[in-house]
Amino acid sequence: NAGVTQTPKFQVLKTGQSMTLQCAQDMNHEYMSWYRQDPGMGLRLIHYSVGAGITDQGEVPNGYNVSRSTTEDFPLRLLSAAPSQTSVYFCASSNREGINEKLFFGSGTQLSVL
Amino acid sequence: AQTVTQSQPEMSVQEAETVTLSCTYDTSESDYYLFWYKQPPSRQMILVIRQEAYKQQNATENRFSVNFQKAAKSFSLKISDSQLGDAAMYFCAIPLLIQGAQKLVFGQGTRLTINP
Repeated sequence: NAGVTQTPKFQVLKTGQSMTLQCAQDMNHEYMSWYRQDPGMGLRLIHYSVGAGITDQGEVPNGYNVSRSTTEDFPLRLLSAAPSQTSVYFCASSNREGINEKLFFGSGTQLSVL
Repeated sequence: AQTVTQSQPEMSVQEAETVTLSCTYDTSESDYYLFWYKQPPSRQMILVIRQEAYKQQNATENRFSVNFQKAAKSFSLKISDSQLGDAAMYFCAIPLLIQGAQKLVFGQGTRLTINP
């Protein structure tokens, strides 16, 4: 029962570096999403996808790219990391549109940008 | 702008007592679901309870129940017989209309401490 798997769990970047946060789910969920968690601000939606080949922006999409080539995978790319992107990132999935269904979360990636 | 607000950044309660966490929101939708999620120190997000807005009956899951006031746009979580394992961050989450599409929006969170 893997559920939603995120890698890496921790990452330190220098300003301007790029990287990809990986997210994979084995539940055949159509809906996948990325959130960032910052103190006092809860979880904010970055990007989401309702199926392979379909992605859309959330509340805070700037500085991040996503793609969804398969049902299982939904990677999040930081093109040029900035200190403001220091945060904990969560990937989540659900079996329908995600709005009215239980979200299954990964264990998170703690990212520090120096 | 449509919003979700948790006005209590921190709460504490004695073990075995009851505590209520508040959540208010602003949406123009009429049919939607509302959620409470728990995040213990392990960081794993766990669904606590879900409420359907068109149902008048408040949802209950064991020691967890909600007080849903649709007209007041209020969705509070009551934890009865508090246990040490209930210590966590609690987030309410509600679908809001953002940039023409419904998206699940989380409140700022309430950190709950259980005193033995």
